[in-house]
Amino acid sequence: DVKVTQSSRYLVKRTGEKVFLECVQDMDHENMFWYRQDPGLGLRLIYFSYDVKMKEKGDIPEGYSVSREKKERFSLILESASTNQTSMYLCASSPPTGNSYEQYFGPGTRLTVT
Amino acid sequence: LAKTTQPISMDSYEGQEVNITCSHNNIATNDYITWYQQFPSQGPRFIIQGYKTKVTNEVASLFIPADRKSSTLSLPRVSLSDTAVYYCLVGLGNQGGKLIFGQGTELSVKP
Repeated sequence: DVKVTQSSRYLVKRTGEKVFLECVQDMDHENMFWYRQDPGLGLRLIYFSYDVKMKEKGDIPEGYSVSREKKERFSLILESASTNQTSMYLCASSPPTGNSYEQYFGPGTRLTVT
Repeated sequence: LAKTTQPISMDSYEGQEVNITCSHNNIATNDYITWYQQFPSQGPRFIIQGYKTKVTNEVASLFIPADRKSSTLSLPRVSLSDTAVYYCLVGLGNQGGKLIFGQGTELSVKP
């Protein structure tokens, strides 16, 4: 079974802090994703990566950056946390299958910025 | 990019069959249709995926008409543990292409 782990289940940070969210997958998947999930808005894609050192913006990249130095690890960085970044953050991975996709999600990190 | 439309919520009773329909009028030729399930405080879980006609696995069935502008997830004989949010997803997966999760359908199964 694919396993995607995230560094923290719950995190509380102060406004202006730099925040690192780590995600690790153990299935040698090429593709990795970061989403945030907010009530009434569903899941929204922040960034994704289809290879080491590659990254692509999703629908809401503002205020975020990412790092993929190793295939199994994809980090989301909030350079200066703000209260509107309080959310559930979900990491996912998937293999580079042709015209279909099946994503494996981690348990999520609930981030609160005060 | 294909946009999906689903009912916001549905109610059912244990033992009933539940059908959740998703509209995706702008689906592209190569797009697949994928459904996920999500329980509170957990990440989404893949349920089923299809391209056309009918797909069935141990969890659900997926019905896709010829024009592919909609799809229906069918859950046979639901139980209380099927209470969750169900998402319809349409798009390509090659090289991590942009994926769109809509607001989902909140299914409530009652005893």
